[in-house]
Amino acid sequence: DAKTTQPNSMESNEEEPVHLPCNHSTISGTDYIHWYRQLPSQGPEYVIHGLTSNVNNRMASLAIAEDRKSSTLILHRATLRDAAVYYCILRAPFNTNAGKSTFGDGTTLTVKP
Amino acid sequence: ETGVTQSPTHLIKTRGQQVTLRCSSQSGHNTVSWYQQALGQGPQFIFQYYREEENGRGNFPPRFSGLQFPNYSSELNVNALELDDSALYLCASSSQGGRSSPLHFGNGTRLTVT
Repeated sequence: DAKTTQPNSMESNEEEPVHLPCNHSTISGTDYIHWYRQLPSQGPEYVIHGLTSNVNNRMASLAIAEDRKSSTLILHRATLRDAAVYYCILRAPFNTNAGKSTFGDGTTLTVKP
Repeated sequence: ETGVTQSPTHLIKTRGQQVTLRCSSQSGHNTVSWYQQALGQGPQFIFQYYREEENGRGNFPPRFSGLQFPNYSSELNVNALELDDSALYLCASSSQGGRSSPLHFGNGTRLTVT
């Protein structure tokens, strides 16, 4: 299975941008890159996903390297509510065991007031 | 739209017993996957169901089994419980099992095996 590697933890100050990196050097050409975040005592929450081009939504931006071997989740202005564990995963095509999305241990983001 | 709901929220079982966990998919979603999350770790994929058929499985023994019903709700069954089965069990639904479909998770069932 294609795996992702993320730093164990990162810190940010409130209202500053945060760049969360993810390495996925064994990504295949058809894998989508997904990001989720998990607050304590809750299930993971979808943040954003993309294939090749950078993506923006109301929560965050996703920057994907040209070779697709890494990506960066960008929170433009961190708030205290953004403190969570962030997971980067790869989603394979439907007919190839697509559900087998491998979560690593994620990055724990701490936001300081 | 109704999100993913799981029941029960907490459960305590004894080693050797059997347990059934339930999941209602988000409206319009026909694919359900189950994950096991140990404390301090990321979710581990157990299996996925699409239109009532299992179409993907992680590295879990056969005593972990599942069902998906015509209304796309799902069950996870675990037989012969072991202490290491203590974990948060997460259910996720998506509109299809494919790579561009976001996973929508429930808040999980916390299973404790004593």
